[in-house]
Amino acid sequence: DAGITQSPRHKVTETGTPVTLRCHQTENHRYMYWYRQDPGHGLRLIHYSYGVKDTDKGEVSDGYSVSRSKTEDFLLTLESATSSQTSVYFCAISEKETGANNEQFFGPGTRLTVL
Amino acid sequence: TQLLEQSPQFLSIQEGENLTVYCNSSSVFSSLQWYRQEPGEGPVLLVTVVTGGEVKKLKRLTFQFGDARKDSSLHITAAQPGDTGLYLCAGEKAGNQFYFGTGTSLTVIP
Repeated sequence: DAGITQSPRHKVTETGTPVTLRCHQTENHRYMYWYRQDPGHGLRLIHYSYGVKDTDKGEVSDGYSVSRSKTEDFLLTLESATSSQTSVYFCAISEKETGANNEQFFGPGTRLTVL
Repeated sequence: TQLLEQSPQFLSIQEGENLTVYCNSSSVFSSLQWYRQEPGEGPVLLVTVVTGGEVKKLKRLTFQFGDARKDSSLHITAAQPGDTGLYLCAGEKAGNQFYFGTGTSLTVIP
């Protein structure tokens, strides 16, 4: 299994509070991703990073920010959590290569509940 | 609007039966991946298909990429209880972005 950990694994917070989720990898992969998974929507990309301090938005980036100051860590921040951000959040990593070798490895997920 | 639509959304079959899951889009992808996810865990990659018309086999699983690289199918022969899980397709677009399908939840009854 790829060395990817996420913390915390579970969190309950209140509307309006800031929340930071952490993804840590030991694979030295260049690309890191944050997804959210909701019933009926599969996984949707929030933000991704293609190197230290290099990030870009995904399809559902509103209300989220990210930072990557080291290769191994990718942080996802909800500046002011809302109930619509209740979801399961997955981090993924990949080593950029074309075509068949461009596979993603996923972390175990963080279940976030915003009350 | 979801870029990739999967069908069926739910599937419950008896052990030994065959099944096909479809992943459809109006967009072209540079590659398409299939993942399987178990409850409480992250998705795990099963296969990547790159070339239009490509067929790959993984034991009892057969994956096909459409000729126009807009759709894909997953066929399972003689399903077993161990095949139970959520199956997700994901299409890759330029810039290393992946778009996931809506998922197919498969239950194989012993």
